[in-house]
Order: sequence, then C-alpha cells, then structure tokens
Amino acid sequence: GAVVSQHPSRVICKSGTSVKIECRSLDFQATTMFWYRQFPKQSLMLMATSNEGSKATYEQGVEKDKFLINHASLTLSTLTVTSAHPEDSSFYICSARTSGFQETQYFGPGTRLLVL
Amino acid sequence: AQKVTQAQTEISVVEKEDVTLDCVYETRDTTYYLFWYKQPPSGELVFLIRRNSFDEQNEISGRYSWNFQKSTSSFNFTITASQVVDSAVYFCALSETDSSASKIIFGSGTRLSIRP
Repeated sequence: GAVVSQHPSRVICKSGTSVKIECRSLDFQATTMFWYRQFPKQSLMLMATSNEGSKATYEQGVEKDKFLINHASLTLSTLTVTSAHPEDSSFYICSARTSGFQETQYFGPGTRLLVL
Repeated sequence: AQKVTQAQTEISVVEKEDVTLDCVYETRDTTYYLFWYKQPPSGELVFLIRRNSFDEQNEISGRYSWNFQKSTSSFNFTITASQVVDSAVYFCALSETDSSASKIIFGSGTRLSIRP
C-alpha cells in the first residue's frame, strides 16, 4: 500500500518555541492531506484539511494562526505549531488522500509533541 | 451531522475468546464509507477495512469479520479466537464520499485487552 511518512517522530520543545512537522506521501501525489490531533486515551480529531496550492481549511475551534499549514507540493504538507504551550502536547497524525478510482487515505505514523 | 459511536470504552477477554466491537454511525449522506482501524501502543494507525455504503455484504478476513447493517446503522467488528497481539485500541470511522472533502470522522475508540 501507499506510504506516508512524518518527521520528526518525536519532538520535545520549550514553551514559546515553534515546531514544524512534515508529512510526506512517498509513492503517490496527494492534492489533499489532513492533520489530526490525538490527546492521550482519546480519539483522533480532525484539525484541518490541507490543499495543495491553496489555503488550508480548519475545523471549528482550531486556531489557524497557531497551527500553520503549508502544502506547497503534491507530496509534502507541513504543520507548524507556533508559540507552543504545554497544552499543545499531543500526538499529531497526518493522512494523505490518493486521487482517482478507489481513492483512499493513508495515515502517517504520527509525531509525538511534548512542550515543556 | 456525521457521528460515530463506540459505546464500549474498554473490553478485556481471555485469549482464544471471540470478541465483538460495536460501532453505530449517523449520517445524512446516502453514499458514505465506513472504516475500522487498529492502533497499537506504537500509535501508528493500521487500516483494517473500508466498506462502501452500497455494499452490505459481510466480510471475513482470517480471524476478523465485519457485520454491516444499514437498517440499524451499525458496522460491528468481530475477532474470532482472539490473541494477545490483538490488544490495541480499535477505531470505527466514517467518511463522506464528496471528493472535495472526504473527511474521516473517528469514533472514540474501544481499548481491547487480550489476557493470556
């Protein structure tokens, strides 16, 4: 099946700094990617839909100025958590959607963010 | 609005027992997809199955089987002869088929523990 990678897999940062997470589709082009957040023992919550070449669409309650999304190419989307705070500590998962017949989404392995 | 309900928060069974994970969904769409994902402790989502709303045939894959009933809006998942390696969190999910969105909405998950 298709492969989606995320980098880094784990990151620890100080409060107030910004962290960038990359999501790459390794063997297919993805015009649409999705970013999810999962707090411990909770479900995955969709944060935003990342569209190649255009602005991301954010879900209700997600601050677009805090969670910056850039989808500059068909294989890469980045999520930048700006001025991170301890409450932003979470597991961030991206997915990339294939196009055409039998389109489906493939999930990345996730990035664990810990803000001290 | 779309909604996925997994009423069972945690299930614990002894190895070799059969176990069924329940999933009930709500959607106004006539065309949609249903999914099951497994999330082991590593955090990476493992895709198990995708079912189109027009295909109500039950599916069997090894020890896994799925029962899709539109009349009750349910998509239950059964593991036969459970094994310790089946221990994980299992998510049921739903997505619209509108190609411009295709958001996946996850249920709250069921934590399955298989005791040796």
